[in-house]
Amino acid sequence: NAGVMQNPRHLVRRRGQEARLRCSPMKGHSHVYWYRQLPEEGLKFMVYLQKENIIDESGMPKERFSAEFPKEGPSILRIQQVVRGDSAAYFCASSPPSRHTGSSYEQYFGPGTRLTVT
Amino acid sequence: AQKVTQAQTEISVVEKEDVTLDCVYETRDTTYYLFWYKQPPSGELVFLIRRNSFDEQNEISGRYSWNFQKSTSSFNFTITASQVVDSAVYFCALSAFTGANSKLTFGKGITLSVRP
Repeated sequence: NAGVMQNPRHLVRRRGQEARLRCSPMKGHSHVYWYRQLPEEGLKFMVYLQKENIIDESGMPKERFSAEFPKEGPSILRIQQVVRGDSAAYFCASSPPSRHTGSSYEQYFGPGTRLTVT
Repeated sequence: AQKVTQAQTEISVVEKEDVTLDCVYETRDTTYYLFWYKQPPSGELVFLIRRNSFDEQNEISGRYSWNFQKSTSSFNFTITASQVVDSAVYFCALSAFTGANSKLTFGKGITLSVRP
């Protein structure tokens, strides 16, 4: 049973280019979360998606960042016109659909994508 | 709003010493989950424990133990007889208990260095 996969593991982009980060959740998981870890910082929530829906994007920067989780294929975090301040580790986590009793499931994290903007 | 505070930023111990990592949280929810994650130098996040807010029993797993005190909003983590392989950044985190959205609020992490 494969875990959460993220690719690429390392990504180097020049200022002004676009970065696309991919996340394939665990089998059977339909919920995806993206987190960003800036240097010397903890992880900060960015966005929560279910298949074809953005549920909570309260942590996403208002400009240049977007996320999607299509019906087929991985979730994509897209950063347009990258700047040096976007250099960080980006982690994806997935979880199964909610229980009928209402309590939430824990999240399983991928290995992260380390983005470096030069 | 939820908040997790890890006041210690860096701790250095000598192998075989015991070490306690502190975590204090704030939430308006009456039920919630608390977590600890380890991030070794390789960078991945390793899940250590999840504890729900209505279970205040302390937990022990090998050299690891966790002390949950709801009255002081703390969820501290103790490593007994530390080893060099315990060197890592340790994060405490908090999430809602119910509902589909279980996004995590993390503390800033504690860098633990265990010297031989």
